[in-house]
Amino acid sequence: SQKIEQNSEALNIQEGKTATLTCNYTNYSPAYLQWYRQDPGRGPVFLLLIRENEKEKRKERLKVTFDTTLKQSLFHITASQPADSATYLCAVPGGGADGLTFGKGTHLIIQP
Amino acid sequence: EAGVAQSPRYKIIEKRQSVAFWCNPISGHATLYWYQQILGQGPKLLIQFQNNGVVDDSQLPKDRFSAERLKGVDSTLKIQPAKLEDSAVYLCASSINIDHYNEQFFGPGTRLTVL
Repeated sequence: SQKIEQNSEALNIQEGKTATLTCNYTNYSPAYLQWYRQDPGRGPVFLLLIRENEKEKRKERLKVTFDTTLKQSLFHITASQPADSATYLCAVPGGGADGLTFGKGTHLIIQP
Repeated sequence: EAGVAQSPRYKIIEKRQSVAFWCNPISGHATLYWYQQILGQGPKLLIQFQNNGVVDDSQLPKDRFSAERLKGVDSTLKIQPAKLEDSAVYLCASSINIDHYNEQFFGPGTRLTVL
């Protein structure tokens, strides 16, 4: 089965800088990767999906890359704001239907 | 549009007791998922429904967990009997249909504490 690794330690970034989060997978190359945001006491919220044949995807201040050689996806938030502080989860398709396998998430803190 | 609804939001029980969680997905969404999220971990898929049929329950501990979606809309997840290690947030999600590229919409979750 697929294993997803994300930085388990919190990431502290100064407001206005670019935050970069890493998602590594260990086995087969997934058909796509999804990124979700989760705030305390809430369910995850979908942000972006990138397919295996796409190198890069953008949405407003968000950018996701997918490198099948490195088995890695990078998630960037440019011009970061304190409101971007949250846990960000990386997910790939599981072995069954279209249920997802999630990483542990990276807790991002944007300091004013 | 209304989001995924779950109840209760919080539940505290003693080990060996039973508990049930309810989920109402977004109207018109055919696919429904139950995930378990232990503190500090990402969500783990327990079971997936397409309409009222089970698509994937390979990670559901079937000796104590059960779930149903009788009319293809609401769903109930039950634990009987509960163990200490079942303490977690139980998340329900839905998507418009079974398709590998659909986003999933999550509810707020039910936080279960087993004492």
